[in-house]
Amino acid sequence: GAGVSQSPSNKVTEKGKDVELRCDPISGHTALYWYRQSLGQGLEFLIYFQGNSAPDKSGLPSDRFSAERTGGSVSTLTIQRTQQEDSAVYLCASTPDSGGGRGYTFGSGTRLTVV
Amino acid sequence: SQKIEQNSEALNIQEGKTATLTCNYTNYSPAYLQWYRQDPGRGPVFLLLIRENEKEKRKERLKVTFDTTLKQSLFHITASQPADSATYLCALPVSGSARQLTFGSGTQLTVLP
Repeated sequence: GAGVSQSPSNKVTEKGKDVELRCDPISGHTALYWYRQSLGQGLEFLIYFQGNSAPDKSGLPSDRFSAERTGGSVSTLTIQRTQQEDSAVYLCASTPDSGGGRGYTFGSGTRLTVV
Repeated sequence: SQKIEQNSEALNIQEGKTATLTCNYTNYSPAYLQWYRQDPGRGPVFLLLIRENEKEKRKERLKVTFDTTLKQSLFHITASQPADSATYLCALPVSGSARQLTFGSGTQLTVLP
């Protein structure tokens, strides 16, 4: 597509429920990143996929968080047994596989509220 | 550990003036630095990249400088307009990674008419 698409745009869930957030990157972009942004805070790195390489999961805050990327395209971030501190905007970005320094193209994010 | 600091949480300036935003970093030597703009409810939008061997980069009314000795980047918006009001983020590559970025917390700029 023309841009990075994320769905849903908003999600309200009850504490303890599982949620899935979806990211559809720009066609042909092989690198995909997940960040989260809490209210008034900077972007916190979560996970990074590059082609067929093993993902860099170093930013995932707990084992309740997981992500996969199927067919080198769409990615799903799953949060199990959600907690109130998981409330944030979850942002996805992609870049082409052409070396470092390319600007990220971000989606508009999914605003997750855990009540 | 790597650390990025951006000047003050909010900056208010008068329309037509030059806005100057600061990004300072410590404990590493990045190969490049990027600036992004973020509007409320939207993801950040890439504006400019400057590499370590470049002193200055311009794009329309935007100018970025990169002083690797001071470990500082300055982001200037000349002839500022109310439409420039947004949060501006600087970002640097994580040490040891060519692509993964770490972001500053941003400076919220308001241009007053």
